[in-house]
Amino acid sequence: DVVMTQTPPSLSVAIGQSVSISCKSSQSLVYSDGKTYLHWLLQSSGRSPKRLIYQVSNLDSGVPDRFSGTGSQKDFTLKISRVEAKDLGVYYCAQTTHFPNTFGAGTKLELK
Amino acid sequence: EVQLVESGGGLVQPGRSLKLSCAASGFTFSNYYMAWVRQAPKKGLEWVATISTSGSRTYYPDSVKGRFTISRDNAKSSLYLQMNSLKSEDTATYYCARRGTDYWGQGVMVTVSS
Repeated sequence: DVVMTQTPPSLSVAIGQSVSISCKSSQSLVYSDGKTYLHWLLQSSGRSPKRLIYQVSNLDSGVPDRFSGTGSQKDFTLKISRVEAKDLGVYYCAQTTHFPNTFGAGTKLELK
Repeated sequence: EVQLVESGGGLVQPGRSLKLSCAASGFTFSNYYMAWVRQAPKKGLEWVATISTSGSRTYYPDSVKGRFTISRDNAKSSLYLQMNSLKSEDTATYYCARRGTDYWGQGVMVTVSS
């Protein structure tokens, strides 16, 4: 199974700061079609997860461009610029390249 | 607007069965792979099953293989998860998710306890 190692497990930030979250996979996430099925999700407190970024760097509809995703093969990063209060919650990376699909353990973004 | 609404959760004894349903609307259900993902209390996300558009292909992790069965009825825009031989470690909120990640339901709680 593909292991997704997400760091750090938690982050304390001030409003307006920028943060980065790392996600490393134990295998390449490039599928046979050439695409990389690495996604980023946010789960706000008491809510269902919501996808923010798909295939490494594509923002879902309605997601502000303060969010950006980069990376390739096995090494990926989510960056949030100018953090706002509504950005707080747990961020997960997820891969759907391989079965079983797997998730990172999550990064909890909290207010400092 | 895409909507996924799960139902069928509840309290069940170990070894018993339960069937979850997910009613989809706002998109052409038959065009999408669908999945179930679960989250144990205070834990992270765990993929449970995926089904192809026609239902001819299904995928499971080892943790549920042989006990859980995912199915779909495209005419009813509905997704199902039949869970047999339930264990305490299956206690979780179960989410229906389009293509595994892009839209999620509100989740339904399953508690396995005597």
